[in-house]
Amino acid sequence: AQKVTQAQTEISVVEKEDVTLDCVYETRDTTYYLFWYKQPPSGELVFLIRRNSFDEQNEISGRYSWNFQKSTSSFNFTITASQVVDSAVYFCALSEVQRGAQKLVFGQGTRLTINP
Amino acid sequence: GAVVSQHPSRVICKSGTSVKIECRSLDFQATTMFWYRQFPKQSLMLMATSNEGSKATYEQGVEKDKFLINHASLTLSTLTVTSAHPEDSSFYICSAGPTRQGNTQYFGPGTRLTVL
Repeated sequence: AQKVTQAQTEISVVEKEDVTLDCVYETRDTTYYLFWYKQPPSGELVFLIRRNSFDEQNEISGRYSWNFQKSTSSFNFTITASQVVDSAVYFCALSEVQRGAQKLVFGQGTRLTINP
Repeated sequence: GAVVSQHPSRVICKSGTSVKIECRSLDFQATTMFWYRQFPKQSLMLMATSNEGSKATYEQGVEKDKFLINHASLTLSTLTVTSAHPEDSSFYICSAGPTRQGNTQYFGPGTRLTVL
C-alpha cells in the first residue's frame, strides 16, 4: 500500500528563519506523482507543486523550494525567509492510479507557525 | 490553475435530516471528482470517487447508502449526507482536475457540516 509520512506534526519558527518540512513516501509503483498543498486557516487547500517520479530536478519558486530524492523516497519542502503569511498546515501527497483515476494519499500534515 | 467551487460553505442541521453539498468545476470539465472528509486537526481521508455517468466508487468503510454521490454532468458532483447524525459533523472537501494538467487535483473551499 502507498503511504506518506510527515513526521513533523508542528513546527514553530520566528519570521525570516528558513524552515524545512519533511515528507517520506512509500510506493511500489514505478510511475507516481508527489504533491504539496497548503491549507491556511480558511480551510481551502492550495496546490503548490507536482513532481513526477521521473523528474528528480529540484525546483525553486520564489521563497519555496523542493528537494526530491528517489534514493531516500523523500520530497522535502523548504521555505526561505519565512513570513507570517506562511503559517498554515502543509500536506504532502502521493498520487495513486487505480481503475483509471488518480487518487491522492495524504500525509498527516505539518502545522507551521511563523511568529513575528 | 483550475477553479473548483463548493456550496454551501457551512451548514448546520438537525439530527436525522439530509444535507446536499455541491461541487462544481468552473473552468474545466471533470469526468472524475473526489470527495474527502477532514476531522479537526487531522488529514484528509478519501471517501469516494465520483464518476460522471456511472456509479461512484466508495472507499472501504464508507457507507454508500449514507453518503449518496451523484455526478450528473461534467461540471457537477453532489454529495448527500442522509439521515445525518452528530458524528457526521466534519469538513467535507471535493477535488477535481483538468485533463490538460495530468493528475493535479484542485480542491474546493470545503463545506463545514455541523449536525446538532
